[in-house]
Amino acid sequence: AQSVAQPEDQVNVAEGNPLTVKCTYSVSGNPYLFWYVQYPNRGLQFLLKYITGDNLVKGSYGFEAEFNKSQTSFHLKKPSALVSDSALYFCAVRVYTGAGANNLFFGTGTRLTVIP
Amino acid sequence: KAGVTQTPRYLIKTRGQQVTLSCSPISGHRSVSWYQQTPGQGLQFLFEYFSETQRNKGNFPGRFSGRQFSNSRSEMNVSTLELGDSALYLCASSPLGDYNEQFFGPGTRLTVL
Repeated sequence: AQSVAQPEDQVNVAEGNPLTVKCTYSVSGNPYLFWYVQYPNRGLQFLLKYITGDNLVKGSYGFEAEFNKSQTSFHLKKPSALVSDSALYFCAVRVYTGAGANNLFFGTGTRLTVIP
Repeated sequence: KAGVTQTPRYLIKTRGQQVTLSCSPISGHRSVSWYQQTPGQGLQFLFEYFSETQRNKGNFPGRFSGRQFSNSRSEMNVSTLELGDSALYLCASSPLGDYNEQFFGPGTRLTVL
């Protein structure tokens, strides 16, 4: 079965400090991994993705994520947090179900609060 | 390019009624997916349409249905509404290709009373 886990419901970090939002996955085959961010009363915004290649992926707004195959993890990171980064973050894995069909399985989300 | 648009943004219905939600994908995107977001269940996949055909379906009852038109616009319908159908319904579109990310609309907030 395909699944994504975000072990932390809430992450608090002081402004200017580095932040990490954790994600682990379980899929059969090669994973296509994504991070999305959701601001209040808004849809999801794409941050970055890992398909293949370099394990360190850089994305929007200074975010990056490291793919670790041995630990089946895809943690989201940022060197210096901003108050405006406060939002709900979702990790997702794409599952290819054949016949060209695909859909995203989402983690339960991690609420990031950056404290001024 | 204009983003994914969803109408209406907010909707209030009563139990037993039916509802139709609309989604216009980004121009050129032919794949449209629908998701339900609730505090308890998180984000759950409903179905995906591509070239007017349903390619994939999540684990939802038959009261949930959808369709896609030749211009890639999509609608989803929920019949015989239940209180538990109250949720944010998100539509996402993507270009052709397995590696492409999905672009989400702002969602339709459905409240069932």
